Amino acid sequence: DTEVTQTPKHLVMGMTNKKSLKCEQHMGHRAMYWYKQKAKKPPELMFVYSYEKLSINESVPSRFSPECPNSSLLNLHLHALQPEDSALYLCASSQAGTSYEQYFGPGTRLTVT
Amino acid sequence: AQSVTQPDIHITVSEGASLELRCNYSYGATPYLFWYVQSPGQGLQLLLKYFSGDTLVQGIKGFEAEFKRSQSSFNLRKPSVHWSDAAEYFCAGRIQGAQKLVFGQGTRLTINP
Repeated sequence: DTEVTQTPKHLVMGMTNKKSLKCEQHMGHRAMYWYKQKAKKPPELMFVYSYEKLSINESVPSRFSPECPNSSLLNLHLHALQPEDSALYLCASSQAGTSYEQYFGPGTRLTVT
Repeated sequence: AQSVTQPDIHITVSEGASLELRCNYSYGATPYLFWYVQSPGQGLQLLLKYFSGDTLVQGIKGFEAEFKRSQSSFNLRKPSVHWSDAAEYFCAGRIQGAQKLVFGQGTRLTINP
């Protein structure tokens, strides 16, 4: 099974709200990723967790706060977002190390009003 | 700098015709290379990957890709396209030791009936 699940599918939030995106995988992968994708553009890497530790932060604003509570779960906490943060947020996972492919979830469509 | 280039932003082919999507890479060493497909509003699905060995790799849905070191290319092919192949296609690569996946800009494929 190569499934990564994400909830919710759609999220509308105001600029003062706090919300969280959730990602889950049961493939035994020890690396998990958050990407942001704007329309008609490729995904942009935001964060990488390896063995539940943050290994890459691509200079993402602090209004995005990732969390990896265990090896199967990855959260992205959102606070005080801006309308330009509206995008498709994709989660991915892979075996740890670099000789492995990433598997993507279906994404959460976020709209900030 | 490491980069992946997809020269064609949009390609239209007739159903049943053959398809070739171009991908060029710029890396100091041979990277790991991937092709992903994304239907509108969905996540990315891995079509195939190249790590080493046989330069012609087979993927899912009848796709194949050929790695050509001399041309720094990894083009995706399909002998006969189906209307369901209409989607956005992304080529991606990463070097050994790196966790970051570098994406091309994507090629949108339209199928004419």
